[in-house]
Amino acid sequence: NAGVTQTPKFQVLKTGQSMTLQCAQDMNHNSMYWYRQDPGMGLRLIYYSASEGTTDKGEVPNGYNVSRLNKREFSLRLESAAPSQTSVYFCASSDGTGSIYEQYFGPGTRLTVT
Amino acid sequence: AQKITQTQPGMFVQEKEAVTLDCTYDTSDQSYGLFWYKQPSSGEMIFLIYQGSYDEQNATEGRYSLNFQKARKSANLVISASQLGDSAMYFCAMPGSNYKLTFGKGTLLTVNP
Repeated sequence: NAGVTQTPKFQVLKTGQSMTLQCAQDMNHNSMYWYRQDPGMGLRLIYYSASEGTTDKGEVPNGYNVSRLNKREFSLRLESAAPSQTSVYFCASSDGTGSIYEQYFGPGTRLTVT
Repeated sequence: AQKITQTQPGMFVQEKEAVTLDCTYDTSDQSYGLFWYKQPSSGEMIFLIYQGSYDEQNATEGRYSLNFQKARKSANLVISASQLGDSAMYFCAMPGSNYKLTFGKGTLLTVNP
């Protein structure tokens, strides 16, 4: 049981390049989330998927797209990377049931855009 | 919309002493909850403790307890008997619709030997 996995762990891009961050969970969770973490800003929600087949914007969606490929996988795409997208990206999942709907986080992807 | 405020960018505590990390919140929901997460220097997010607004007693998990004061809209994390391994960033977070989390900016705790 790996929990939430993310690839890659580190990435350096040049301005204008594109890339996809991959996320997968093996806990059969319905909901998945992408956050970015910047110094002094905490974590901010980029996009989320409440269930397979649905996606919605979070607080900071500009410059990103997402795909909920199936129940397990939720990818984040940067079409044309900008230096402002230098950040640590976390994927999380939750089953949204019970009295505590804890989110389980992946290890993060550290992205640098030069 | 929900808002989480953590006013202490950094805190220092001596090993074996207790420390309180502050968190205030703003929400229009009648039923809500608060999470605390720990982020060590290795970067992973570790769930520490949760309390719902209708829970009658303050939540405790080992050395962690949540001092929940609804009238003040505060949900402070108390760590008793601090250990060197407690040095980390600590985030307060509130779930909203579809369980999306709104995070505070965090408090960096340093435990001194």
